[in-house]
Amino acid sequence: AQSVSQHNHHVILSEAASLELGCNYSYGGTVNLFWYVQYPGQHLQLLLKYFSGDPLVKGIKGFEAEFIKSKFSFNLRKPSVQWSDTAEYFCAVMTNSGYALNFGKGTSLLVTP
Amino acid sequence: SQTIHQWPATLVQPVGSPLSLECTVEGTSNPNLYWYRQAAGRGLQLLFYSVGIGQISSEVPQNLSASRPQDRQFILSSKKLLLSDSGFYLCAWSEGLSRQADEQYFGPGTRLTVT
Repeated sequence: AQSVSQHNHHVILSEAASLELGCNYSYGGTVNLFWYVQYPGQHLQLLLKYFSGDPLVKGIKGFEAEFIKSKFSFNLRKPSVQWSDTAEYFCAVMTNSGYALNFGKGTSLLVTP
Repeated sequence: SQTIHQWPATLVQPVGSPLSLECTVEGTSNPNLYWYRQAAGRGLQLLFYSVGIGQISSEVPQNLSASRPQDRQFILSSKKLLLSDSGFYLCAWSEGLSRQADEQYFGPGTRLTVT
């Protein structure tokens, strides 16, 4: 079955630590990839997206993600996290055949001072 | 700028009762509109989408229905709620007239508990 997998459900990091959140998908064909973030008490919002071109995409607040087609992966990274990065992070995939954003279950990130 | 509203923010309803959740978008025309649900321990799942007034597509069979009576209004309904309808319901919109790879903008959501 087609799916989006986020490997880490809960991550706890200290400030200044590096972050990598895994995301794998099982859809064939052309896909468009997204990372969304939900800060406490706020709406779900786009962090970054990949449509085509350079597989390394940069988003807001120093986040970046790398699309590795051969691994069906789109991992999210940040070299140095801040307390304000505490949030829920969702990976999502959209195929060219539909309108749906197919989400992973999310990763809860807690950054401690 | 565009804004998206959902209400109510929280709702507790008994099994068998009707449901109506409303979503409105401001600051844009002809948007694509979406209803998603997040059940406990699961990812967000698309329930319905609409590319125009009166045009509704269902992604999964279920106890729910959707309607779009106006360009920027999207309603999620049920005649009789089930316990399994409990969850977090999110409305979203994206720019219309273009289907592929559009960023979707999400509302604040409605937390529905069916008792």
